This record gives sequence, structure tokens and C-alpha cells, in this order.
Amino acid sequence: AQSVTQPDIHITVSEGASLELRCNYSYGATPYLFWYVQSPGQGLQLLLKYFSGDTLVQGIKGFEAEFKRSQSSFNLRKPSVHWSDAAEYFCAVVTGGGNKLTFGTGTQLKVEL
Amino acid sequence: DAGVIQSPRHEVTEMGQEVTLRCKPISGHDYLFWYRQTMMRGLELLIYFNNNVPIDDSGMPEDRFSAKMPNASFSTLKIQPSEPRDSAVYFCASGDSPGVGFQFFGPGTRLTVL
Repeated sequence: AQSVTQPDIHITVSEGASLELRCNYSYGATPYLFWYVQSPGQGLQLLLKYFSGDTLVQGIKGFEAEFKRSQSSFNLRKPSVHWSDAAEYFCAVVTGGGNKLTFGTGTQLKVEL
Repeated sequence: DAGVIQSPRHEVTEMGQEVTLRCKPISGHDYLFWYRQTMMRGLELLIYFNNNVPIDDSGMPEDRFSAKMPNASFSTLKIQPSEPRDSAVYFCASGDSPGVGFQFFGPGTRLTVL
């Protein structure tokens, strides 16, 4: 079954430092992949998505992600983190014939000032 | 558009009581999803609707849970009777593509069952 794994439960970075959050997928064909962000007490917000084509995907809030088939990865990156980026980040993959999302367990990002 | 609206935002109830969570999707969206989020199990899809019809309820944990969508602008998730292990944050999301990723989430309802 299609799934995603987020190996890092918690990550702490200093403000202004670069960020990379890891996501590995398990799927035979080309998956549809997403990154969502959840701020404390809020619902999830879509950051970016990958369906096909260019493997480097740009999203909102200065985030980008790169699809690497050879590594079965879809890592999220940001060149310079802001304190407001502190949140929980979820990777997700489409399952169930195209109408369902399966989420990873999430990575909690802490930003040190 | 105001986005996906959920009510109540917080609910505290006692074990055995009936709980009803409400959701108003974004106008024009024909997919509606109910999720549950807990520390132990993460974010789980409970059920989703397309054009008000339940399509997949395989995530509904047991018969105590039921969901309805009587019209395009309203859905409910009911737990009867509630148990402490139902304590979680319940999210509603809606989408206008074939659901695929284009899901807009509501702020959630934090349910505590004592």
C-alpha cells in the first residue's frame, strides 16, 4: 500500500538557517505527493504538491520540495527559516484510487531565535 | 469565502453522552472529508463524501461513529455513546478536484471525553 514516512519527529533550527525536512514514499508508480503545514491550534494548510513534470516544486511561504525517484524521497526545503515557520509539517500521498490522502506522522519544527 | 467552518471548536463531554460535530464546507466543493488527529495515531481519514454521498467509510472506527451529509453545505459527525478514547481533534476538509490533495481544512474541533 502507498505510504509516506517522515523519519524525523522533531527538528530544531536557528532562525535564518536552512531547513530540510525528509519524506520517503512507498509506491510503485509515480506518486502524487504533498506537503502540509499545521500551526498550533489550526487546521492543515497546503504548502505544495507534486503530480508530474518538473521535479523541483515551488510552494507558498518560500518553501520548495524536490521529487527524487531514485531515492523515493520528496524532501521539503527552505533556504532561510523564519520564527513563524515553527509548526508541524506533514507529508502526504494520494491513495485509495486517487481520492484519499495518507499522511505521514509529521515533523515538529522548532525555530530558535 | 470564509473557508471550512467547524463547530464547536471545543467540546467537553462525559463518557456515554452523544456528541455531534458540525462542518460547513467551502461553497462549490463537492468532496468532504472527516479526519481524526491523535498523538498516538496521527492524522486518520474517517470518511469522505462526494456529492453528499458517502464513498469510503473504512476509517470509521466502530458503529458508535456515524456521519451524514444531508446537503452540499452541511455535514455532521456523531459519536454515540462517546468514550474517553474518542478524545482527539476532529478535522473537516473539503475539495473541488477529485479530492486529490486539494483539500482545504477547517480549524478542527477539540473533543475531550471525561
